[in-house]
Amino acid sequence: DQQVKQNSPSLSVQEGRISILNCDYTNSMFDYFLWYKKYPAEGPTFLISISSIKDKNEDGRFTVFLNKSAKHLSLHIVPSQPGDSAVYFCASTFGNEKLTFGTGTRLTIIP
Amino acid sequence: DTGVSQDPRHKITKRGQNVTFRCDPISEHNRLYWYRQTLGQGPEFLTYFQNEAQLEKSRLLSDRFSAERPKGSFSTLEIQRTEQGDSAMYLCASSLNGGREPQHFGDGTRLSIL
Repeated sequence: DQQVKQNSPSLSVQEGRISILNCDYTNSMFDYFLWYKKYPAEGPTFLISISSIKDKNEDGRFTVFLNKSAKHLSLHIVPSQPGDSAVYFCASTFGNEKLTFGTGTRLTIIP
Repeated sequence: DTGVSQDPRHKITKRGQNVTFRCDPISEHNRLYWYRQTLGQGPEFLTYFQNEAQLEKSRLLSDRFSAERPKGSFSTLEIQRTEQGDSAMYLCASSLNGGREPQHFGDGTRLSIL
């Protein structure tokens, strides 16, 4: 039962352009959503989060959008930089307890 | 560095042996989580503690697995009688209790079963 889905295993984007990573969830109880970035041989690094009472949160080059009716969230990175190349995981939780992760999207930024 | 620390980074052992991993959370964090990640998958929840109390265990955590956080600071995860299927990255995370606080992860312990 995959409650959090990232349907694109990989994405390639030109440096300087916008990267858009997508995530869908099925559990309507989820009320807090997070994006993590992972480099090889390292643990996931927290990037940005959003509560279910909001539909947008920005932090520098990163913006997360939440569409509750569609049970969909997306991460926008603009402008994309070579250091953004990594695997991105979305994660969801309710009650600020255990995280349920998607399977990840490998983002490659092309110089 | 005041992040989450895990030890060892790598563990290679023979099937049937017992292994123990350690996690030191960020010092002021009272919640500590263990996850397991296999190739091509996202991390999967195993168990979590609030201070020294173990509040939830996943059904993934068979009776060969045990976790402790005796003084509400560091935690250990032990796997007894290891099996091939236990090969994975074991990740520890910590967070502050309450509100919308993200979990912060260590770099994990990679377990390889020969």
